[in-house]
Amino acid sequence: DTAVSQTPKYLVTQMGNDKSIKCEQNLGHDTMYWYKQDSKKFLKIMFSYNNKELIINETVPNRFSPKSPDKAHLNLHINSLELGDSAVYFCASSQGNSISGGKDTQYFGPGTRLTVL
Amino acid sequence: SQQGEEDPQALSIQEGENATMNCSYKTSINNLQWYRQNSGRGLVHLILIRSNEREKHSGRLRVTLDTSKKSSSLLITASRAADTASYFCATDEDSSYKLIFGSGTRLLVRP
Repeated sequence: DTAVSQTPKYLVTQMGNDKSIKCEQNLGHDTMYWYKQDSKKFLKIMFSYNNKELIINETVPNRFSPKSPDKAHLNLHINSLELGDSAVYFCASSQGNSISGGKDTQYFGPGTRLTVL
Repeated sequence: SQQGEEDPQALSIQEGENATMNCSYKTSINNLQWYRQNSGRGLVHLILIRSNEREKHSGRLRVTLDTSKKSSSLLITASRAADTASYFCATDEDSSYKLIFGSGTRLLVRP
């Protein structure tokens, strides 16, 4: 009965490869997010979807492409991985809608630790 | 740009003592939230305080908000070793869905 789940938990890959991280939430929330946490623990928003519509798209290289097949899933695909992509990636969800926004409590997944060699 | 800044960056206390962490932010907000992150885990929501509230309690947690000073504090009373974690404040921006997280305070509670 996990609320927000991510797979895989660990991902080790070579530079130049393409990889995907999957996220699913069973909370019935309308909004989902991807965050990147660097080695100094700084957490930065990357993308957000509300009901499958992209609403936040921060300054992220276009090698990163989110995809939301339905409002319970938000996947992150990364092309041509670089060393600097090594980080922990967190998925989150919240009940925010087009009126209240996503500023409500956010529920985080366990994270995916990506290591690019 | 980063909104919340936590202070101190790291805090080490003895079990049973109180721990106080501070957060400062730059622009007006609708609400401010505190989250905890245990090592190797995702963030867990602790408490949300709205801009028209000055103080909020939840168990051993007490949060204050001073909008005139653009600052908030999180007090954990009677700390336990299990409180060892990083604590983050997060603030919203009026016109977007974004929560902006600070860099966190790493709390170590020694048994």
